Amino acid sequence: QQQVKQSPQSLIVQKGGISIINCAYENTAFDYFPWYQQFPGKGPALLIAIRPDVSEKKEGRFTISFNKSAKQFSLHIMDSQPGDSATYFCAASITLGNKLIFGAGTRLAVHP
Amino acid sequence: DAGITQSPRHKVTETGTPVTLRCHQTENHRYMYWYRQDPGHGLRLIHYSYGVKDTDKGEVSDGYSVSRSKTEDFLLTLESATSSQTSVYFCAISESWGGETQYFGPGTRLLVL
Repeated sequence: QQQVKQSPQSLIVQKGGISIINCAYENTAFDYFPWYQQFPGKGPALLIAIRPDVSEKKEGRFTISFNKSAKQFSLHIMDSQPGDSATYFCAASITLGNKLIFGAGTRLAVHP
Repeated sequence: DAGITQSPRHKVTETGTPVTLRCHQTENHRYMYWYRQDPGHGLRLIHYSYGVKDTDKGEVSDGYSVSRSKTEDFLLTLESATSSQTSVYFCAISESWGGETQYFGPGTRLLVL
């Protein structure tokens, strides 16, 4: 059973555009929602994370929007750059005593 | 990669042979994790450790065992490798449990023929 569903599988965006990746979860006990970025040949690295007590978190060009009632959260990349081309994973966990459950990943290509 | 090394980085082996992957950290983090990454599945937790000699199973633990005799080392063993275990294996570490930042190693690409 896939507890975190991520879409789309792949995304092509023009330089300067907005990239949007969506995730939906099932377990209402999840209370920590990170996004990881992975470049080819590298391990994933934490990009940004949110807890459900806020609806939005912004760090530079990256924003997480969180909708608790819909059990959805999304990553927005503003002014997308070719250097943002990578695979992005959403994840969720119950902070006190559980493990990260990852989405299947989205391969983003930003074309110049 | 936050003071995490994995060895070997690439390995080709034959079905039925045992394989051991090593994760070494220099961060003195308490928690260590082994994941496998496969297309369409993201990362799935195999086993994790919450201290020396303290380990537990993740969601895809069948066919794998782990050991942690020192804080810095976490070994993953495929007892009898199968083609379905062809994957990229990542080690991760964290200071606290589960929900906080996990730092990933560079990965080991394993091919089981």
